[in-house]
Amino acid sequence: DTAVSQTPKYLVTQMGNDKSIKCEQNLGHDTMYWYKQDSKKFLKIMFSYNNKELIINETVPNRFSPKSPDKAHLNLHINSLELGDSAVYFCASSQDGGGAWETQYFGPGTRLLVL
Amino acid sequence: KNQVEQSPQSLIILEGKNCTLQCNYTVSPFSNLRWYKQDTGRGPVSLTIMTFSENTKSNGRYTATLDADTKQSSLHITASQLSDSASYICVVSAKGAGNKLTFGGGTRVLVKP
Repeated sequence: DTAVSQTPKYLVTQMGNDKSIKCEQNLGHDTMYWYKQDSKKFLKIMFSYNNKELIINETVPNRFSPKSPDKAHLNLHINSLELGDSAVYFCASSQDGGGAWETQYFGPGTRLLVL
Repeated sequence: KNQVEQSPQSLIILEGKNCTLQCNYTVSPFSNLRWYKQDTGRGPVSLTIMTFSENTKSNGRYTATLDADTKQSSLHITASQLSDSASYICVVSAKGAGNKLTFGGGTRVLVKP
């Protein structure tokens, strides 16, 4: 009965490859997010979707493309992977429109290593 | 630029002892401040959330304080347990920024028996 799940948990790949990370939430939440946690452990938001619509798109290279087939899923596709993309990627969800007071529930993270 | 700084970066305490973690922020205009606990290999989990009018909030053995004037917060862990070993992250939200949160780098706490 995992609330926010991500697959895969670990991803090791070569530079230049294209890869996808999947996220699903079974909380019935309307808003989903992707975060990147760098080596210094800072979490930075990348994207946010509310009911399948993009509402936050930070200055992320356009090699990163989120896709939300329905409000329970938010997948992250990364083209032409670079060494600097190595990080832990977290998916999260919150109940409504994503206001400042909403608690965000995080998935377990996907550890991406680009060689 | 909105920033959240935490100290210390890491600390080691003996089981049963207390400890206090610090958070300074420059996020403006301030909406609320959260403390998250992140176990190794897991995603962050919310512990407390406070607005500027709240000075203190508790969640079990965790007590958070907030001084909105000095833009400082602390998280006090009482009678630490081995399961408290984790990273504790201070997260601040600005008014009008919606769900864009500013995260601190966290304090890694190791509780030893």
